[in-house]
Amino acid sequence: AQSVTQLGSHVSVSEGALVLLRCNYSSSVPPYLFWYVQYPNQGLQLLLKYTSAATLVKGINGFEAEFKKSETSFHLTKPSAHMSDAAEYFCAVMVSRGGADGLTFGKGTHLIIQP
Amino acid sequence: ETGVTQSPTHLIKTRGQQVTLRCSSQSGHNTVSWYQQALGQGPQFIFQYYREEENGRGNFPPRFSGLQFPNYSSELNVNALELDDSALYLCASSLGGRVGNEQFFGPGTRLTVL
Repeated sequence: AQSVTQLGSHVSVSEGALVLLRCNYSSSVPPYLFWYVQYPNQGLQLLLKYTSAATLVKGINGFEAEFKKSETSFHLTKPSAHMSDAAEYFCAVMVSRGGADGLTFGKGTHLIIQP
Repeated sequence: ETGVTQSPTHLIKTRGQQVTLRCSSQSGHNTVSWYQQALGQGPQFIFQYYREEENGRGNFPPRFSGLQFPNYSSELNVNALELDDSALYLCASSLGGRVGNEQFFGPGTRLTVL
């Protein structure tokens, strides 16, 4: 079964510091991986996705993620944190269920930005 | 281009009642997926509709059912509500027929069961 594990339910960084949010996946087939962000009382917004075209994926708002097959990881990074980055971040893998392609999400990482 | 919309935004029901949630998909999308997000958790896949047919379901009981209409909008129906059904219900639309297409989420409906 395909799954994702997000390490760290809460991550706190200073404004301007590097953001690193960790995600490890489990999959028996080449995975489709996604990072979503959720602001309070809102739905999910896609940050970026990996679909095997390139191992380094650039997304919106300065975020990027690198797919590392040897480490089964897809960590999300941003060089310089901004106060507006404070939100909940979810890593997800796309799983085929019959004919459906549903997302299986991790439990999320709450990113806190210290001024 | 209109994004994914959901109604209502909030809903309060009592245990045993039935509820219907609605979702309008993004223009050009023919697939709608529904997710349940309990407080402090990641979303969990309920089921997906493609061209008006349910084409896959997660680990949810049959009292969770749905419909998709010819304009690709969708409904989620939950019968015999339980306290644990209290959650944010998210729908997401996508263009079906190709694996890996991203899903675009609506703002969600917050359901509280008392």
